[in-house]
Amino acid sequence: KNEVEQSPQNLTAQEGEFITINCSYSVGISALHWLQQHPGGGIVSLFMLSSGKKKHGRLIATINIQEKHSSLHITASHPRDSAVYICAVRPTGNQFYFGTGTSLTVIP
Amino acid sequence: DTAVSQTPKYLVTQMGNDKSIKCEQNLGHDTMYWYKQDSKKFLKIMFSYNNKELIINETVPNRFSPKSPDKAHLNLHINSLELGDSAVYFCASSQDVTGGQPQHFGDGTRLSIL
Repeated sequence: KNEVEQSPQNLTAQEGEFITINCSYSVGISALHWLQQHPGGGIVSLFMLSSGKKKHGRLIATINIQEKHSSLHITASHPRDSAVYICAVRPTGNQFYFGTGTSLTVIP
Repeated sequence: DTAVSQTPKYLVTQMGNDKSIKCEQNLGHDTMYWYKQDSKKFLKIMFSYNNKELIINETVPNRFSPKSPDKAHLNLHINSLELGDSAVYFCASSQDVTGGQPQHFGDGTRLSIL
């Protein structure tokens, strides 16, 4: 069983829709990261969270440490948001665990 | 300016060969990482270096060896390449080792073993 589970695995949305991607983890963590992998393969770090909520443009990330759960929200989705979104957690030791990713396609 | 750069972008070679992938970061970060992304797009950490010290050494085969001549470079050497080594390898860096800072990724090196 993977330490990090993401849902859904695949998501198709119409342009303009509000999107939520979920991440649940089973270990104690010092930080959680949301990454975006573009169709061309490049990886970009979107957020690093240890508590609460962060917002950057149309992207919002939240984390609930007690429930071991994080969500990534995209408001007013756009075709350029089409990518794979990966949740990664940093436990209290020296380690990183990754989710299997959520593949998002936004249709015009 | 590219923050984290990897070379080569593509590497096609035969089984049994020895190859290296280079990584350089110009961000002044203290920690660098190597990740492997398999055919199912699953990322797994291989190594990280902090100030020239290996601080994570995952259970990867000892055919893989990271080499860091200075804190701006972390190269990955692979000996006796096998078919299962085919993957995309990503280099990344972060300000510190705690995991509390964002990571900056290179564009990846796609390794194909014939």
